[in-house]
Amino acid sequence: QQPVQSPQAVILREGEDAVINCSSSKALYSVHWYRQKHGEAPVFLMILLKGGEQKGHEKISASFNEKKQQSSLYLTASQLSYSGTYFCGTLENTGGFKTIFGAGTRLFVKA
Amino acid sequence: EAQVTQNPRYLITVTGKKLTVTCSQNMNHEYMSWYRQDPGLGLRQIYYSMNVEVTDKGDVPEGYKVSRKEKRNFPLILESPSPNQTSLYFCASSLSTAGTDTQYFGPGTRLTVL
Repeated sequence: QQPVQSPQAVILREGEDAVINCSSSKALYSVHWYRQKHGEAPVFLMILLKGGEQKGHEKISASFNEKKQQSSLYLTASQLSYSGTYFCGTLENTGGFKTIFGAGTRLFVKA
Repeated sequence: EAQVTQNPRYLITVTGKKLTVTCSQNMNHEYMSWYRQDPGLGLRQIYYSMNVEVTDKGDVPEGYKVSRKEKRNFPLILESPSPNQTSLYFCASSLSTAGTDTQYFGPGTRLTVL
């Protein structure tokens, strides 16, 4: 089942902060965050693993609550370049690693 | 340059005409995967591969086949395409088969089935 992302869309002014949430009904092994600009491929932002390990960009932070099966992406002091669609991807250990992405959150940053 | 390449980038075809979309990565990655992206639905995994000769179904495998004969290549085969397979397709690869590393995405293939 697809993780649920919220909000579906958000408009910010440059310099404002935003939080994007990702919630799953299944136990998660890890959560991945990607940003996609229109017409381009998704680009890696952050990985959060069970046990607290994180890998990602210095200017972006995220949290992973394993018990609640939720993750949040924190975008602070937003820049115009942050505009795009943000996807969370949850990985389930099914013997292999199946990846299920949320439907995405559209973020638009205006000057 | 480390990258995932896909060919073709754009394809218009007719119902029932077999086609193959190629995917190749030059990063010696173990994990490779195919996704389709449709408006409002995000990215949905079609198939993934943990290693050569090891493939498994994602969430939407119906109507697709894959093979992994070499580590670097992971072609997607549509034996009898139908209009509901019109979509944007992405191939991705990852160093880790344990979900602990990023997936690198190819540039995408926009497929239209008439």
